[in-house]
Amino acid sequence: EVQLVESGGGLVQPGRSLRLSCAASGFTFDDYAMHWVRQAPGKGLEWVSGISWNSGSIGYADSVKGRFTISRDNAKNSLYLQMNSLRAEDTALYYCAKDMNPTLPEGAVAGTLVYWGQGTLVTVSS
Amino acid sequence: DIQMTQSPSSLSASVGDRVTITCQASQDISNYLNWYQQKPGKAPKLLIYDASNLETGVPSRFSGSGSGTDFTFTISSLQPEDIATYYCQQYDNLGDTFGQGTKLEIK
Repeated sequence: EVQLVESGGGLVQPGRSLRLSCAASGFTFDDYAMHWVRQAPGKGLEWVSGISWNSGSIGYADSVKGRFTISRDNAKNSLYLQMNSLRAEDTALYYCAKDMNPTLPEGAVAGTLVYWGQGTLVTVSS
Repeated sequence: DIQMTQSPSSLSASVGDRVTITCQASQDISNYLNWYQQKPGKAPKLLIYDASNLETGVPSRFSGSGSGTDFTFTISSLQPEDIATYYCQQYDNLGDTFGQGTKLEIK
């Protein structure tokens, strides 16, 4: 059974940093691209970032480019999101999601998100 | 960048009704479009990929069609467990990845 378990969320002040983790199990992690998607309270879904199976292709939404860094450790079956210079508008539930494919689509955008974790909540507030 | 327009934003229908949701892209995205279901307090679930392919295990009352800029998602006979918010998602290029969502309620 595929499992994606996010961790690392919490309350953080504006301008500070936070690192999210996603522990994957139940599938061959290094066969698939992975993504982060967020959902602000009461709002819709927003793709944040994606990374190909070998970290050779990485993409970011314009809203986080230059502030967030996605990475993965295939030996540890783990996905990460380093979030710097956090803003109030980054407050959201952050989901880790498994792609259907090993690579990102051309343009390094979100692919087809087959499995999702339950999310970790990030609150940016003073 | 691509803009996605999903409509309606909310919809009330009766059990057994045929329900249709549309998604329009601001430019040609071929068939690079997926549909997701999100029930309250839960993570989204993939229903339809590549515009018209039913994900494994998803009931056949769900279907998708379209290509280019105009796409349709249909529930052929609404069931009580279909109460959820539905999202389209394009993966052709940067811009709006997800549509704004359609909240489906039972009448």
